[in-house]
Amino acid sequence: GNSVTQMEGPVTLSEEAFLTINCTYTATGYPSLFWYVQYPGEGLQLLLKATKADDKGSNKGFEATYRKETTSFHLEKGSVQVSDSAVYFCALENNSKLTFGKGITLSVRP
Amino acid sequence: DAGVTQSPTHLIKTRGQHVTLRCSPISGHKSVSWYQQVLGQGPQFIFQYYEKEERGRGNFPDRFSARQFPNYSSELNVNALLLGDSALYLCASSLAGLRGGNQPQHFGDGTRLSIL
Repeated sequence: GNSVTQMEGPVTLSEEAFLTINCTYTATGYPSLFWYVQYPGEGLQLLLKATKADDKGSNKGFEATYRKETTSFHLEKGSVQVSDSAVYFCALENNSKLTFGKGITLSVRP
Repeated sequence: DAGVTQSPTHLIKTRGQHVTLRCSPISGHKSVSWYQQVLGQGPQFIFQYYEKEERGRGNFPDRFSARQFPNYSSELNVNALLLGDSALYLCASSLAGLRGGNQPQHFGDGTRLSIL
């Protein structure tokens, strides 16, 4: 079956610090990979995606590379801002069905 | 353009009751999916509908059902509510059917269902 494993949280960083959030997956076939972000009281917003091995998704300074050999899709940002505080979900898609990780809460201090 | 809209935003029910949640997809999107997000967890897939037909079902009991209308809006119905059904119910729409990778799912803000 399909599954997504995210590193345990929460994560607290100071503004302008470097961010890495780990994500690994198990899947049949060749899934697409996504990072979604959820702000308090809101639904999920697509942050970035990658549809095949070695693709790099990027948006708003965030990046993640689809690594088939390590079955990973780690999220990185070089300099976080207070406004990046949210819950981040890694997900894979097979046959239009999304499988999510548990999510990780990021808090950025001024 | 309007995004995915869900109604109601909040709902309180008691055990044993039934509930209907509604979702309007982004204009032009023919696929609608439903997810349940329990507090502190990632969303879990419940159903996918495409062109008014069920195309996928997650590991949920038969108390959960859904349908999609000719205008592509959708309803999620839950019967005989249990305390454990308390969650945020999310609807997502996309252009794609079975091969969705290049057509990502766009989520509404959800319906927060509380069971007393």
